[in-house]
Amino acid sequence: DAGVIQSPRHEVTEMGQEVTLRCKPISGHDYLFWYRQTMMRGLELLIYFNNNVPIDDSGMPEDRFSAKMPNASFSTLKIQPSEPRDSAVYFCASSPQLAGYTDTQYFGPGTRLTVL
Amino acid sequence: SQKIEQNSEALNIQEGKTATLTCNYTNYSPAYLQWYRQDPGRGPVFLLLIRENEKEKRKERLKVTFDTTLKQSLFHITASQPADSATYLCAVPNAGNNRKLIWGLGTSLAVNP
Repeated sequence: DAGVIQSPRHEVTEMGQEVTLRCKPISGHDYLFWYRQTMMRGLELLIYFNNNVPIDDSGMPEDRFSAKMPNASFSTLKIQPSEPRDSAVYFCASSPQLAGYTDTQYFGPGTRLTVL
Repeated sequence: SQKIEQNSEALNIQEGKTATLTCNYTNYSPAYLQWYRQDPGRGPVFLLLIRENEKEKRKERLKVTFDTTLKQSLFHITASQPADSATYLCAVPNAGNNRKLIWGLGTSLAVNP
């Protein structure tokens, strides 16, 4: 398996523009997570899905952020309109549904977003 | 609220020595704790998981301890190599939802040849 795939790897946009980040999880994984990473706040969970259904979006900072998972192999994170404070690295991660409570997550390479 | 703290200062050690990284947590007793490695420009990669009833876990040159009394985990890399240079993150499950992980900010390790 190729691992978690994210696109684009880098995105530079101007304030007010719409940004769409894409993720393909590892085949067979039931959970998908979207994170944001900054130097000051580290890794923050934005939202996660189980079997394509959003379970917890309490980490989504504002209504400008939305995420979808139309099928088991694709998810998007959209920011509309984007603001300079959204500049960060956004990671997608997936995880299999295992018996028990352990939860190893497999991360993609991330998308570095810069909003000017 | 739950909090995880890792050494904020970068750790510089000489090749061949043992690196020891610390992860402290508060206001919670997690059922397990995980350690990940992150290289620049890449996503975190899982290394080890230790459960609350395990005192120590080993994998090759890596060793993790879990002291539930001190609320602390130590991560050791023995016979360190320059290739071990990276940022190391610890994570614990959220108290109310163990599918959500709470992450430390990470400790940067540099192994000098």
